[in-house]
Amino acid sequence: RKEVEQDPGPFNVPEGATVAFNCTYSNSASQSFFWYRQDCRKEPKLLMSVYSSGNEDGRFTAQLNRASQYISLLIRDSKLSDSATYLCVVNRNTGNQFYFGTGTSLTVIP
Amino acid sequence: NAGVTQTPKFQVLKTGQSMTLQCAQDMNHNSMYWYRQDPGMGLRLIYYSASEGTTDKGEVPNGYNVSRLNKREFSLRLESAAPSQTSVYFCASMWDRAPYEQYFGPGTRLTVT
Repeated sequence: RKEVEQDPGPFNVPEGATVAFNCTYSNSASQSFFWYRQDCRKEPKLLMSVYSSGNEDGRFTAQLNRASQYISLLIRDSKLSDSATYLCVVNRNTGNQFYFGTGTSLTVIP
Repeated sequence: NAGVTQTPKFQVLKTGQSMTLQCAQDMNHNSMYWYRQDPGMGLRLIYYSASEGTTDKGEVPNGYNVSRLNKREFSLRLESAAPSQTSVYFCASMWDRAPYEQYFGPGTRLTVT
């Protein structure tokens, strides 16, 4: 079983829509959780860390459910510039190994 | 402040050839990583280095070697390239404290024919 699993999409949504992505992780010992954004043919960049109590950064909200071992990302009021692939990342804090999901593709349509 | 730099950006090799991918960071980070990214596979860790002088295997180390030359530089070597090593290679570095954000280089696109 993969360490991290994501729905690859693609998600095609109109501008202004709200869209949610989910991600599941297999190892209950995982400690740190992140969402990264990757634009086409570019390097990944940190979008936000995910904290146990949930956290918000502008139009982006991340949630963690340890009992069910899933992480979510909610994007409100989608912009054209949000079009990208969103990567779910998990860290066990053992030897600094990070595990990446395959990514969920989002296209925001005018 | 260049962040993480990688050379070369593109490379084509023939099967059996060798090459070294270079990575350098100027953020004084302790941890450095090499990943490969293939369609439908996500990023997979090849090797990482938690500090100068130490290296450890990741998920897919076979066919690769690494050197942590100093705190700034972490190189990845393919001794005998195979078509299965065609991929995009990313180097990353990280400061060893919250939020544990990894900073990535722009990547090297390698094709092995």
